[in-house]
Amino acid sequence: DTGVSQDPRHKITKRGQNVTFRCDPISEHNRLYWYRQTLGQGPEFLTYFQNEAQLEKSRLLSDRFSAERPKGSFSTLEIQRTEQGDSAMYLCASSLEQTRSPYEQYFGPGTRLTVT
Amino acid sequence: DQQVKQNSPSLSVQEGRISILNCDYTNSMFDYFLWYKKYPAEGPTFLISISSIKDKNEDGRFTVFLNKSAKHLSLHIVPSQPGDSAVYFCAASPNQGGKLIFGQGTELSVKP
Repeated sequence: DTGVSQDPRHKITKRGQNVTFRCDPISEHNRLYWYRQTLGQGPEFLTYFQNEAQLEKSRLLSDRFSAERPKGSFSTLEIQRTEQGDSAMYLCASSLEQTRSPYEQYFGPGTRLTVT
Repeated sequence: DQQVKQNSPSLSVQEGRISILNCDYTNSMFDYFLWYKKYPAEGPTFLISISSIKDKNEDGRFTVFLNKSAKHLSLHIVPSQPGDSAVYFCAASPNQGGKLIFGQGTELSVKP
């Protein structure tokens, strides 16, 4: 299977701890996106990369959040000093710029974060 | 502010009938619209899309209609099947290949 993969699928952490999530995009895709989804809402954009360059960050991405894509392949999203409000599903998606449909993003299964 | 809105949180339809899911948007600069389908415990799956220069796109049982003057799009599923039961999100792109802005979703239930 060559879809988008995310690890871990579930994470429970105590308030104040740091957590890191990993996303592996579809191998030939050069764009990678992070979204956050809470119950009853659609995914909310956090940030995206084209190759290793971070091109856009949402205002939702406070200074406790950092994302990297060091070699233009996998990406990590770190949340420092977690708060209960960070509890959500964190979704990763990827797309290919050089295509007829650069808008179509393919999502991974998500990482569900619970902060206690 | 919610730039993409799905005002119906849920919709129930009989198997074989038409399902119509609606979506409204406020930003006239959106240039591409997409529909995603989501099952529990899975990420959203791309379903169908439409460019802002078109008013209809069809793919099998799924058709998306775009009314730019009303800033409204809809997804028609004909005929509806029980396997179509899922949450459907509409999404819009404000810039080529960048972020997507999603609506809140509509939960479709297709009853046998």
